[in-house]
Amino acid sequence: QKEVEQNSGPLSVPEGAIASLNCTYSDRGSQSFFWYRQYSGKSPELIMSIYSNGDKEDGRFTAQLNKASQYVSLLIRDSQPSDSATYLCAVNDNQGGKLIFGQGTELSVKP
Amino acid sequence: GAVVSQHPSRVICKSGTSVKIECRSLDFQATTMFWYRQFPKQSLMLMATSNEGSKATYEQGVEKDKFLINHASLTLSTLTVTSAHPEDSSFYICSARPPPWEGVHQPQHFGDGTRLSIL
Repeated sequence: QKEVEQNSGPLSVPEGAIASLNCTYSDRGSQSFFWYRQYSGKSPELIMSIYSNGDKEDGRFTAQLNKASQYVSLLIRDSQPSDSATYLCAVNDNQGGKLIFGQGTELSVKP
Repeated sequence: GAVVSQHPSRVICKSGTSVKIECRSLDFQATTMFWYRQFPKQSLMLMATSNEGSKATYEQGVEKDKFLINHASLTLSTLTVTSAHPEDSSFYICSARPPPWEGVHQPQHFGDGTRLSIL
């Protein structure tokens, strides 16, 4: 069974710090990786996509992918209280196009 | 771009009522849409995959006669919860994915969700 694992947290960081969120996946053939942010009571919002090994930066967000280690991470620089949310790692299931989600990491940024 | 609209945002109704939820992709064609359910403090649970012009594929344990899915066009999928009961109360979320001919690595874009409360 294909799995995506995340630490459930909560991860607490002070405002201005770097938040580091990690994710591992079991299917070595996976090609597409996504990070979604979900505020309490809201639906998930796509914040980063990554497909190639290495780093991808978008503003304060950096996604990192290491296919050999089957590891994806998300770094949030200069964390703000508004970043407090649950972050979902998702991996594309190549059969049928479903997304396999991790259980999510709850991030709390303290002012 | 990639906006998905979901309506209604909230439904409160009596037990035994059937409820229809609409999911529309506003600025792209979605050959595939997905329906999820989420209970408080829990992960997203995929209910079914909806393909335009064909029958939906339901995940194990999801009653297809209870949760009717129709994907009649490239921009609209509907979920009907038939004869809803209090245990069906949940947060229902749809997502849509642009077609593969627009790129291999297509993410799912989510609607705002429908909070369903059955009294």
